[in-house]
Amino acid sequence: GAGVSQTPSNKVTEKGKYVELRCDPISGHTALYWYRQSLGQGPEFLIYFQGTGAADDSGLPNDRFFAVRPEGSVSTLKIQRTERGDSAVYLCASSYTAGTSGGLRETQYFGPGTRLLVL
Amino acid sequence: GENVEQHPSTLSVQEGDSAVIKCTYSDSASNYFPWYKQELGKRPQLIIDIRSNVGEKKDQRIAVTLNKTAKHFSLHITETQPEDSAVYFCAARWGQLTFGSGTQLTVLP
Repeated sequence: GAGVSQTPSNKVTEKGKYVELRCDPISGHTALYWYRQSLGQGPEFLIYFQGTGAADDSGLPNDRFFAVRPEGSVSTLKIQRTERGDSAVYLCASSYTAGTSGGLRETQYFGPGTRLLVL
Repeated sequence: GENVEQHPSTLSVQEGDSAVIKCTYSDSASNYFPWYKQELGKRPQLIIDIRSNVGEKKDQRIAVTLNKTAKHFSLHITETQPEDSAVYFCAARWGQLTFGSGTQLTVLP
């Protein structure tokens, strides 16, 4: 079946502007995760949803970052007043369920990412 | 929170040799340890994972070992091939994934 998809694949914006990044998870996956990956680094957790609710948003760096998942499927990551330091690849992942047992249903599958460049 | 350290940051091996990448983690509650392969400009792809009730897992040329007492786990790739060249990330989980900083593996033909 179709994997996780993200749009746009690339986004160039100017400092101070607002951007929205979209993630379409694998059909049937109830858990959705956002990560940020800077050049030469591993992905860094931002927020995850179980269904429509944000189960853990402890990774969001500040209040300029916000994410929604109103119908429990597609999610949008929103960044207000962008700064040059926000430039990175924003990765989305989904899993069948979310939990802490490390079961097969919790395996995370990643999308291709959105490369954000703030000038 | 969890902290994952990964070594080495770069690794070059001759085709056919073995490669080993090591990770340590800090949170003894972590119970799931996946390894992802990421080619340049591509998404991370899960290659193997291990859960805390298992000490070793093997899938063809790839194996992972876990030492919960010492809080470290390792990726072993045998009979390396040029297409194994990529960045490899380890991760640990208690809730959400915490990733290591990555290892750039280069397999020289």
